[in-house]
Amino acid sequence: AQSVTQLGSHVSVSEGALVLLRCNYSSSVPPYLFWYVQYPNQGLQLLLKYTSAATLVKGINGFEAEFKKSETSFHLTKPSAHMSDAAEYFCAVSVGGSQGNLIFGKGTKLSVKP
Amino acid sequence: GAVVSQHPSWVICKSGTSVKIECRSLDFQATTMFWYRQFPKQSLMLMATSNEGSKATYEQGVEKDKFLINHASLTLSTLTVTSAHPEDSSFYICSAFDSVLGYTFGSGTRLTVV
Repeated sequence: AQSVTQLGSHVSVSEGALVLLRCNYSSSVPPYLFWYVQYPNQGLQLLLKYTSAATLVKGINGFEAEFKKSETSFHLTKPSAHMSDAAEYFCAVSVGGSQGNLIFGKGTKLSVKP
Repeated sequence: GAVVSQHPSWVICKSGTSVKIECRSLDFQATTMFWYRQFPKQSLMLMATSNEGSKATYEQGVEKDKFLINHASLTLSTLTVTSAHPEDSSFYICSAFDSVLGYTFGSGTRLTVV
């Protein structure tokens, strides 16, 4: 069965610092992996997705993630945090290939200090 | 890009009444709609999956008679919370899937039952 684990429910960084949000997955088949961002009382916005093409995936707003099969990881990074990056971030894996429902991690709240 | 309109964005209802939440794909046809529930500071939990013209598939533990899902067309799915109680208060989010566009999330509905 597929699952994702997000390490750290809360991450705090200073503006301009590196952002690193961790996600590890478990999947018996090649996974489709996603990162979403959620602002308060809003839906989810797709940041990026991995669908078995390039292992380094670039997304919107300067975010990127690297798929590492050996580590079963798909960590999200951004070189320099902005205040506007403060939000909740969810890692997700697709059940049943590219068209299955999504299983979400518990989320990581990112705070950015001025 | 693809847009999913979810209404209402928030609703307060009295205990025992029913509430209908609409999820509409505005510029694409969604082969599948997913309904999620999110408790405060928690992740999204899949409630049910629906395909146009067929009965929804509910996740284990979700009462299908309480959470009625109708997927009458390729652009509209509704979730009706029947005989709502305070424990049904939550944030409900829909997601529409298209094989080309992938998953597009609605902006969510905050339901408060008093």
